[in-house]
Amino acid sequence: KQEVTQIPAALSVPEGENLVLNCSFTDSAIYNLQWFRQDPGKGLTSLLLIQSSQREQTSGRLNASLDKSSGRSTLYIAASQPGDSATYLCAALKAAGNKLTFGGGTRVLVKP
Amino acid sequence: SAVISQKPSRDICQRGTSLTIQCQVDSQVTMMFWYRQQPGQSLTLIATANQGSEATYESGFVIDKFPISRPNLTFSTLTVSNMSPEDSSIYLCSVGQGGDIQYFGAGTRLSVL
Repeated sequence: KQEVTQIPAALSVPEGENLVLNCSFTDSAIYNLQWFRQDPGKGLTSLLLIQSSQREQTSGRLNASLDKSSGRSTLYIAASQPGDSATYLCAALKAAGNKLTFGGGTRVLVKP
Repeated sequence: SAVISQKPSRDICQRGTSLTIQCQVDSQVTMMFWYRQQPGQSLTLIATANQGSEATYESGFVIDKFPISRPNLTFSTLTVSNMSPEDSSIYLCSVGQGGDIQYFGAGTRLSVL
């Protein structure tokens, strides 16, 4: 059974600092790994998706890496802004059309 | 990408009543998923809804408590039955596109008194 863990559970940084969010998973046989953002009381917004054959994906200030052999993915957010304050969730997909297994999330606060 | 509309966005309900949540997608999709997010927790899958067949429920969730309908390829409903305060959560539907990326609705925030 896949288990996904995100550490730390909460993170507070001053504006401008780079953010590093960690995600680990126990079963390396994944189809892809997806990073989401969730604002308080809201739904999920997909940020980046990394296919199992890929090592990283980039979108603007966001970069996500994937190391299947070690069961880890890292989300980097460069030059953080107060608007980046949210909860970030990673989720592993076992197979196409299958369910996502979510980590517990990292709650990020970027202080002006 | 898929655009998902969920209704209602929030509701406050009395213990013992039922609430039906609607999920509408702007394109035809084979699989729709219903998740629950309890306060301060991550998402847990309730069931997978395929058009034309019975929903598949995850361990700990049963059809009598969470009946699901999937009448066509763009619509699904989840009912939370005989509610108790423990059912207070955000309920989210999602769809898979191309078999891999998943998109989520804005969620339904349910409070049970």
